[in-house]
Amino acid sequence: EVQLVESGGGLVKPGGSLRLSCEASGFTFSRYSMNWVRQAPGKGLEWLSSISTTSVHIYDADSVRGRFTISRDNAKNSLYLQMNSLSAEDTAVYYCSRGSMVSQREDTFDIWGQGTMVTVSS
Amino acid sequence: QSVLTQAPSASGTPGQRVTISCSGSSSSIGSNYVYWYQQIPGTAPKLLIYKNNQRPSGVPDRFSGSKSGTSASLAISGLRSEDEADYYCAAWDDSLSGRVFGGGTKLTVL
Repeated sequence: EVQLVESGGGLVKPGGSLRLSCEASGFTFSRYSMNWVRQAPGKGLEWLSSISTTSVHIYDADSVRGRFTISRDNAKNSLYLQMNSLSAEDTAVYYCSRGSMVSQREDTFDIWGQGTMVTVSS
Repeated sequence: QSVLTQAPSASGTPGQRVTISCSGSSSSIGSNYVYWYQQIPGTAPKLLIYKNNQRPSGVPDRFSGSKSGTSASLAISGLRSEDEADYYCAAWDDSLSGRVFGGGTKLTVL
């Protein structure tokens, strides 16, 4: 079964850091670009970051550039999101999603994880 | 404020055909493929349409997508109660060098 499973969410204080993980199974992870998307409570989807198959091409949303860092380990079939300088505005469910084998511009987001909740509060 | 613009809500009765629109720009929809996602509250989004009008396997042919210029539409025919969900459009934006989502349209089946 093709699957993405996120982990690492939780409660963190403002200014703190958190590292999210996304483990892939059921497909050849190294052949696909990958993405992180978040959804604040009661709000819409917000794309955060994209990484190519070999990590050469990384794109970030303005809202997280310089604070969040996407990375991957193809040997471990895993995607990561290092989040620093967190604020209350970062409180959201964080999803990882599969991109494409072709181009990050054509990422399909066809497979999504179940999401992991991040709450930033003192 | 989202780069892609969607009406916040739409509604229809069972069996009806409804259309959800998505407006972008020359750097987003005008230059790139459009994708549509369905999200039932409390669950992860699901891909409905990719590359403007292609349906993944398992998505009923009641769902169809189209694109014209800098706008796109998702049509749902033969509306069913289980179609009640939030619908999001998305596209790559060349100016932002990133993926953008619409604000979402909440579809209510009356």
